[in-house]
Amino acid sequence: QVQLVESGGGVVQPGGSLRLSCEASGFTFRIHGMHWVRQAPGRGLDWVAFIRHDSNSKDYADSVKGRCTIFRDNSKNTLYLQMNSLRPDDTAIYYCARKWGNPGPFDLWGQGTMVTVSS
Amino acid sequence: EIVLTQSPGTLSLSPGESATISCRASQNVVRKSLAWYQQKPGQAPRLLIYGPSSRATGIPDRFSGSGSATDFTLTISRLEPEDLAVYYCQQYGSSPYTFGQGTKLEIK
Repeated sequence: QVQLVESGGGVVQPGGSLRLSCEASGFTFRIHGMHWVRQAPGRGLDWVAFIRHDSNSKDYADSVKGRCTIFRDNSKNTLYLQMNSLRPDDTAIYYCARKWGNPGPFDLWGQGTMVTVSS
Repeated sequence: EIVLTQSPGTLSLSPGESATISCRASQNVVRKSLAWYQQKPGQAPRLLIYGPSSRATGIPDRFSGSGSATDFTLTISRLEPEDLAVYYCQQYGSSPYTFGQGTKLEIK
């Protein structure tokens, strides 16, 4: 079945690191650009990062630029987000989402993984 | 950065009524790249409308989108209890890919 499944969330201290994963199944992962989007508790949606299907282009929100790296392994149908120097305001549910078309809306979302940054 | 402002913040309507949600952009949205998402409690967002009047796969025709440039509208007709959710507009044409702050739809 067509789906995205995130993992890797957890509780981390300020200044710590975490790597999120998003495993895709049921579709041809290697032809789609992919995004990370986050949602702080009780808040709205914030786009975090984008990677092109072939990894030749990456883009980041200013709030995470220099602290986060998006990358992918098309042989494993998996998207990643490496997060460093984490801050309490990074606390959120992190969703991966598939880009569809160009320009492309986010047509498929995972269920999300929770990241809590707290001492 | 394109700022999207949704109104109203909360909408409380009865089953069978129609809901209208507005989304205003701080500058022209390029290439009609405006989408609407529905997020039910405890769930991930789901794409409803894109481009800005095309329905995503499996979305009933009670949901419709319209607009251009800086003003867009999501209309939900014949409201059902299952439409209880927060609705977000988003522009996906230029980075950063911004979302509106959300409109909470309550069903009386």
